[in-house]
Amino acid sequence: DAMVIQNPRYQVTQFGKPVTLSCSQTLNHNVMYWYQQKSSQAPKLLFHYYDKDFNNEADTPDNFQSRRPNTSFCFLDIRSPGLGDAAMYLCATSRPDQPQHFGDGTRLSIL
Amino acid sequence: DQQVKQNSPSLSVQEGRISILNCDYTNSMFDYFLWYKKYPAEGPTFLISISSIKDKNEDGRFTVFLNKSAKHLSLHIVPSQPGDSAVYFCAASGYGNKLVFGAGTILRVKS
Repeated sequence: DAMVIQNPRYQVTQFGKPVTLSCSQTLNHNVMYWYQQKSSQAPKLLFHYYDKDFNNEADTPDNFQSRRPNTSFCFLDIRSPGLGDAAMYLCATSRPDQPQHFGDGTRLSIL
Repeated sequence: DQQVKQNSPSLSVQEGRISILNCDYTNSMFDYFLWYKKYPAEGPTFLISISSIKDKNEDGRFTVFLNKSAKHLSLHIVPSQPGDSAVYFCAASGYGNKLVFGAGTILRVKS
């Protein structure tokens, strides 16, 4: 089945230690998105790629970076995680003007 | 500021009855609205959508109604089934397919 896969499902890191979350897709979609969802809150868009074009949301902290080396993969890098960055991180993909398909998320914990 | 609001954190309905989930938005530039369903430990799954040029869209047991003058949409599930128990997210988009989500409503369908 074509899908969006996020690894790992659970990630624990130490305060200030860089961490990378990954997302891959077999849907061949142009657009890939990263969302942050804190407990009982709405998923919040961090940034997205339209092909190789990177689009950052205005209120996304500088601590968050992303890479998309090819169509299939996209990475979320958190350079110096703080306690407030503990959350569920969701990756999604879509064709332009089509509904987004989500992965099952990575739950990030900060010690 | 929350541009998309789901004011009911939870809803409990008897099996076979109608479930009505509500969503309000503030940004008049939104022109496309979606509902996503999320089971525990899984990512959101697209359920149904509606364009701002319509006021109703139906797909099997699921119907979405849009009232643009009131900036309000609702999802009706008839009849409700225990397998419909999940978190339902309302989302809206304007230019560029970027989604703004509500915080979700937990639906419990009792058998």
